[in-house]
Amino acid sequence: EAQVTQNPRYLITVTGKKLTVTCSQNMNHEYMSWYRQDPGLGLRQIYYSMNVEVTDKGDVPEGYKVSRKEKRNFPLILESPSPNQTSLYFCASRQGRNTEAFFGQGTRLTVV
Amino acid sequence: GEDVEQSLFLSVREGDSSVINCTYTDSSSTYLYWYKQEPGAGLQLLTYIFSNMDMKQDQRLTVLLNKKDKHLSLRIADTQTGDSAIYFCPYSGGGADGLTFGKGTHLIIQP
Repeated sequence: EAQVTQNPRYLITVTGKKLTVTCSQNMNHEYMSWYRQDPGLGLRQIYYSMNVEVTDKGDVPEGYKVSRKEKRNFPLILESPSPNQTSLYFCASRQGRNTEAFFGQGTRLTVV
Repeated sequence: GEDVEQSLFLSVREGDSSVINCTYTDSSSTYLYWYKQEPGAGLQLLTYIFSNMDMKQDQRLTVLLNKKDKHLSLRIADTQTGDSAIYFCPYSGGGADGLTFGKGTHLIIQP
């Protein structure tokens, strides 16, 4: 089954404690992205990747890092999480720029 | 202004038609999409339309595109309780990659 898998689904952490949210897709897609969803703000892109070892900033990259060492995985790294990074995070993958995006189920992160 | 503008809420009675509207600032996208997000779930593609089309119909869904006015709408006929969700109309563009989203429209179904 074609899917994008994120882990964990829920995470509560403390300020400053490094964390990683994993994302994996099984469709051999070139493009992968991370979004955060906040009430009243919709989805905003954090980072994206157009291929292995090719990543770039989206609209709200501050406080986040990503890596794309292999095609299927695109982890999101918060080196020093802060409460303003409490949000619902989505990973997505697409074959090309003008193709359907497949989304993971989301990761609800709370930073206290 | 916003790249994609949508009303935040739409309330309709069960069985009526729902019309969700989007307005864009950038009309260069080849495809325009409608995604549905049910409570506690990720986003799922509902339908899409090529930018050279005016209309697309898919069962209860009708998509209308007015490229001149940069306006996209989604009509859901015979709205059901299962249609209750947030609807997004992202487009491809605004940068090297990614979908540009609006804030989403919460569709509320009244019994």
